[in-house]
Amino acid sequence: QVQLRESGPGLVKPSGTLSLTCAVSGGSISSDYWWSWVRQSPGKGLEWIGDIYHGGSTDYNPSLKSRVTMSLDKSKNHFSMRLRSVTAADTAVYYCARQGSNRSFDYWGQGTLLTVAS
Amino acid sequence: DIQMTQSPSSLAASVGDRVTITCRASQDISNSLAWYQQKPGKAPNLLFYGSSKLDRGVPTRFSGSGSGTDFTLTISSLQSEDFATYYCQQYYSTPKTFGQGTKVEIK
Repeated sequence: QVQLRESGPGLVKPSGTLSLTCAVSGGSISSDYWWSWVRQSPGKGLEWIGDIYHGGSTDYNPSLKSRVTMSLDKSKNHFSMRLRSVTAADTAVYYCARQGSNRSFDYWGQGTLLTVAS
Repeated sequence: DIQMTQSPSSLAASVGDRVTITCRASQDISNSLAWYQQKPGKAPNLLFYGSSKLDRGVPTRFSGSGSGTDFTLTISSLQSEDFATYYCQQYYSTPKTFGQGTKVEIK
């Protein structure tokens, strides 16, 4: 059974950079899947942030593309996301997820709350 | 971006009721649609992909249908564990987008 678990700072100051990591167990991130980040805030509902393929290709939401970078660490079997220049609008629960071969999100982490505040 | 519009935004129903939720895409997405169930404090859980393909372990009282722009999620006989918020999501094109959710509450 694939399991994903997010980790992050919980609190980031405005204009700072958010870094989140998703540890994958029960499966390898080198498998033929896309690995994704999705966030959820009361104001905007569920928002897809972007994907990274096991080979390193990325696909980002155009609304966030200028601020986001995703990466893989195959030695640690985890993937990560950095979001620069954060504002209060980036306050949300951040989920990592796996996209199955059919491109839907079939496994999710439990989510981690990120608050942007000084 | 493809806009996904769900209706209703919320509904109240009783155990045993038949419940139908609709999702409309702003353009043709073929059958590139997923449905998720989310309970408070939990991550979304995949119910359907490809509009009508039930994910593993999902009870058969759930069904999905539709293609193109109009989609439906039906619960044939609502159970207590089905009270939750349901989301549709298109993966036809980037950016992937979600509906705003339909909250199913106890009447």
